Amino acid sequence: TQLLEQSPQFLSIQEGENLTVYCNSSSVFSSLQWYRQEPGEGPVLLVTVVTGGEVKKLKRLTFQFGDARKDSSLHITAAQPGDTGLYLCAGVRNNNDMRFGAGTRLTVKP
Amino acid sequence: NAGVTQTPKFQVLKTGQSMTLQCAQDMNHEYMSWYRQDPGMGLRLIHYSVGAGITDQGEVPNGYNVSRSTTEDFPLRLLSAAPSQTSVYFCASTQWGDYGYTFGSGTRLTVV
Repeated sequence: TQLLEQSPQFLSIQEGENLTVYCNSSSVFSSLQWYRQEPGEGPVLLVTVVTGGEVKKLKRLTFQFGDARKDSSLHITAAQPGDTGLYLCAGVRNNNDMRFGAGTRLTVKP
Repeated sequence: NAGVTQTPKFQVLKTGQSMTLQCAQDMNHEYMSWYRQDPGMGLRLIHYSVGAGITDQGEVPNGYNVSRSTTEDFPLRLLSAAPSQTSVYFCASTQWGDYGYTFGSGTRLTVV
């Protein structure tokens, strides 16, 4: 059983559509991070959220950390083919032990 | 800055062989970790270190050893390779866990 559950596992949408990816857990985290991974490469950090209820925006991407610091969401507005990739959430516990969800594989079709 | 450098990029081992995956970072980061990535399972933490001389186990440590003699290097040793250790291995580092990790480009290991 994964400590962090991501949904959906796969998502295929048309260019211009909006989407939301969810990351849920029963554990409390000191921070939650979102990464994007391309084939053959390591994950690249998109954002870190540390405060319950925090919302961060990165161009067309909006990240939210749940009030109880157990869950997070990633919303993409007007998706583009360049957004295609594997999106991973990761929760950090107080001893710097960071655990990942299984990821959401996003495909944006032109 | 090179960031996090992993070697080798690809490796094929026979069952029972041992080997060391190398990881080096030039960012003076205190925290380093090793993960393995398998299809449908995301990244799973093998071992991590919060500073030179300090290591701890993650969620899947069996069959692997680590040491941290310097801030820069964090090698991962496979003691006796098994087919179940076929995976892609990533090393990562950060100055502080909540800041976000920098990952290496990975080592693809096949055990036959």
